[in-house]
Amino acid sequence: SAVISQKPSRDICQRGTSLTIQCQVDSQVTMMFWYRQQPGQSLTLIATANQGSEATYESGFVIDKFPISRPNLTFSTLTVSNMSPEDSSIYLCSVGDGLSNQPQHFGDGTRLSIL
Amino acid sequence: QKEVEQNSGPLSVPEGAIASLNCTYSDRVSQSFFWYRQYSGKSPELIMSIYSNGDKEDGRFTAQLNKASQYVSLLIRDSQPSDSATYLCAGSMDTGRRALTFGSGTRLQVQP
Repeated sequence: SAVISQKPSRDICQRGTSLTIQCQVDSQVTMMFWYRQQPGQSLTLIATANQGSEATYESGFVIDKFPISRPNLTFSTLTVSNMSPEDSSIYLCSVGDGLSNQPQHFGDGTRLSIL
Repeated sequence: QKEVEQNSGPLSVPEGAIASLNCTYSDRVSQSFFWYRQYSGKSPELIMSIYSNGDKEDGRFTAQLNKASQYVSLLIRDSQPSDSATYLCAGSMDTGRRALTFGSGTRLQVQP
């Protein structure tokens, strides 16, 4: 399976600021997925990012709040904008195997705390 | 109804016993299912995939899929304290995007 690297691994940010999370994969992949895991909760899909097209956002998530870039087949970024304490979560990048994009594997995640 | 449902636990079993974790899913979930193990403070780790009806065994782990009843289970034989973690059941949504929808997770505690 692909090796997925996320940066930063953790951060503490001030309310109202923005943070960009990077996800680097060691092989070319069609789809990259961004998930959020709030404290004590399960994973929720934020958006799916395909290279060369706009990201597809899930209900409850909007581009203005979570802009995503996908400049090539090995890299993506997720920005958390105008952060509030409710954005304190673990943000996870995921990629799938092969043409079916399944199963999916996760990076180590970014642990974000908003003061 | 949530797309994927799990009992949150905790499920407590003695060391050496069989741990049985269950998951049910809705009609919106396709027939690909995955079990992930998540240790506290870590990201989910894939331990089993199952795509067809029946049982699939891998070492101490057995995944079972019953499409008629819309449930998928994970059995862990000879449970060890190192198996103590949260186990997440996930299914692929019938949207074509191949993203996963996750259950809330079951916390397993294996008592030495």
